[in-house]
Amino acid sequence: GENVEQHPSTLSVQEGDSAVIKCTYSDSASNYFPWYKQELGKGPQLIIDIRSNVGEKKDQRIAVTLNKTAKHFSLHITETQPEDSAVYFCAAGGNAGNMLTFGGGTRLMVKP
Amino acid sequence: GAVVSQHPSRVICKSGTSVKIECRSLDFQATTMFWYRQFPKQSLMLMATSNEGSKATYEQGVEKDKFLINHASLTLSTLTVASAHPEDSSFYICSANKRTDTQYFGPGTRLTVL
Repeated sequence: GENVEQHPSTLSVQEGDSAVIKCTYSDSASNYFPWYKQELGKGPQLIIDIRSNVGEKKDQRIAVTLNKTAKHFSLHITETQPEDSAVYFCAAGGNAGNMLTFGGGTRLMVKP
Repeated sequence: GAVVSQHPSRVICKSGTSVKIECRSLDFQATTMFWYRQFPKQSLMLMATSNEGSKATYEQGVEKDKFLINHASLTLSTLTVASAHPEDSSFYICSANKRTDTQYFGPGTRLTVL
């Protein structure tokens, strides 16, 4: 089955700096890669996703890149703000009954 | 939009009690609903996948007689934790998708079994 690894597990940045979170996946048949933000005590919220037919997608301060050959994808947050502090999860799917396989999560802390 | 609700948000019960958690897609019909369990500071662990009108598919290691799933309609799925024990205490989250593989998550239910 699919295996998704996510790094780093914790990331601390200064407000205004950029943050990058990286994920790798094992199943070359995966073709859908969403990113979720989870705040304490809440459910994950979809923030951006990308499909394997594109290499990059951007939405304001958030961007995701995908390298199908290397089987890795990354989340980029620019001009970070304290409210960006949360746990971020990457996932891979699209190849087995709409199921997603999640990475281990990254705790992002943005210091004011 | 794609809004998913869960009820209750928090439940505290005595050991041996059965607890039912509802998951609803409020503004769309969900082809599939998923139930996850999340321990503190850990990732989401898929428990089961359910489709309306059919039996749920459970992940390996998840007891189907312990975690009963009923998917009564295209907008409602329920998870019943039968005879809950302290080790069942966790954060339970459902998600739903609408025709594609995009999953929208509910706000979660915090279960504490005393």
